[in-house]
Amino acid sequence: EAQVTQNPRYLITVTGKKLTVTCSQNMNHEYMSWYRQDPGLGLRQIYYSMNVEVTDKGDVPEGYKVSRKEKRNFPLILESPSPNQTSLYFCASSKLAGGPHNEQFFGPGTRLTVL
Amino acid sequence: DAKTTQPPSMDCAEGRAANLPCNHSTISGNEYVYWYRQIHSQGPQYIIHGLKNNETNEMASLIITEDRKSSTLILPHATLRDTAVYYCIVAGGTSYGKLTFGQGTILTVHP
Repeated sequence: EAQVTQNPRYLITVTGKKLTVTCSQNMNHEYMSWYRQDPGLGLRQIYYSMNVEVTDKGDVPEGYKVSRKEKRNFPLILESPSPNQTSLYFCASSKLAGGPHNEQFFGPGTRLTVL
Repeated sequence: DAKTTQPPSMDCAEGRAANLPCNHSTISGNEYVYWYRQIHSQGPQYIIHGLKNNETNEMASLIITEDRKSSTLILPHATLRDTAVYYCIVAGGTSYGKLTFGQGTILTVHP
């Protein structure tokens, strides 16, 4: 089954404790992206990757890191989480970036709480 | 990125067609209109997209006006499971895949 998976689905952590949220897709997609969703602010893009070893900042990259060493994986790293990073996170992928193949497939979400 | 305007909420009776409007008057020539929906707090789900012609798939139809300044998503026979937030998004061109989500339309389907 074609899908985007995220782990963990739920995480409660404390300020400053490094964490990684994994994202994997099995569709051989080139484009991957991370969004966060907060009440009243909608979904906002954190980072995106056009292909392996190519990443760039989205609208709200502060406090996050990403890497794209393999085509299928795009982990989101919070080196020193803070309470303002408490949010619902979604990973997404698409065949290409832009044009007629921009339909994106989203993962189930990771609900992160930073105390 | 072009912005879109959608009504904040709409109601529809089960079995009837749901017509969700969207204005995107600043859309540029190489940008597409995409529709996604989000059921509760699940990941957004792609529905349909188009450039300038009307499109139909197994989920919905998309009607784009000739001047491309507005569009309508049609769910032909709405069911209770179609209750969700529907997002109209203009993307493509130089946005490199970024989807800019607005507040969307909360569609409630009633029995």
